[in-house]
Amino acid sequence: SQQGEEDPQALSIQEGENATMNCSYKTSINNLQWYRQNSGRGLVHLILIRSNEREKHSGRLRVTLDTSKKSSSLLITASRAADTASYFCATRYTGANSKLTFGKGITLSVRP
Amino acid sequence: DAGVIQSPRHEVTEMGQEVTLRCKPISGHDYLFWYRQTMMRGLELLIYFNNNVPIDDSGMPEDRFSAKMPNASFSTLKIQPSEPRDSAVYFCASSQGARGTEAFFGQGTRLTVV
Repeated sequence: SQQGEEDPQALSIQEGENATMNCSYKTSINNLQWYRQNSGRGLVHLILIRSNEREKHSGRLRVTLDTSKKSSSLLITASRAADTASYFCATRYTGANSKLTFGKGITLSVRP
Repeated sequence: DAGVIQSPRHEVTEMGQEVTLRCKPISGHDYLFWYRQTMMRGLELLIYFNNNVPIDDSGMPEDRFSAKMPNASFSTLKIQPSEPRDSAVYFCASSQGARGTEAFFGQGTRLTVV
């Protein structure tokens, strides 16, 4: 399976601190995406990084991709209580099958 | 656009009954995904369609599950007969184009089979 696996499974930090979440995957990908899910809601796309990119920024988010290690990290800077949610990485296959598969997610708690 | 619309939001049914979940993708999107989310298994891809055609149904747990997409604006996921272990949140998502695009998720249907 090329499903991404995130770590840690849970992360608790103080407001204002940075949060770093990691994702590893198994096979070649076309791109890797990060999503956020608030309790009881659907997933919302945060950022996409392509296999030929190494780093990408969007507001307080920074994503890196290391295809040699088959890993990615999501950094949220200056965290806020409103960032409390579950975060998922998702990978899209390079082959003819373009399915989008998700890891089990990381639960982030930001204490005010 | 109103986004991906799923119905119903909540469904409680008795074991053995047929359950039909519905999804309306975003207009113009040519990919549609069905996922199931549980605490134990996380977010599992059940099946996905491209231009209304099922491409990969390897995630469908067993023959009790079936999915259809009769046109570009509507898809159903049916469970017959339902079992308590089918209890989960079922999400539908759609995207436009092949690999390089994001998926948009509906709010999900919380299914409870008693």
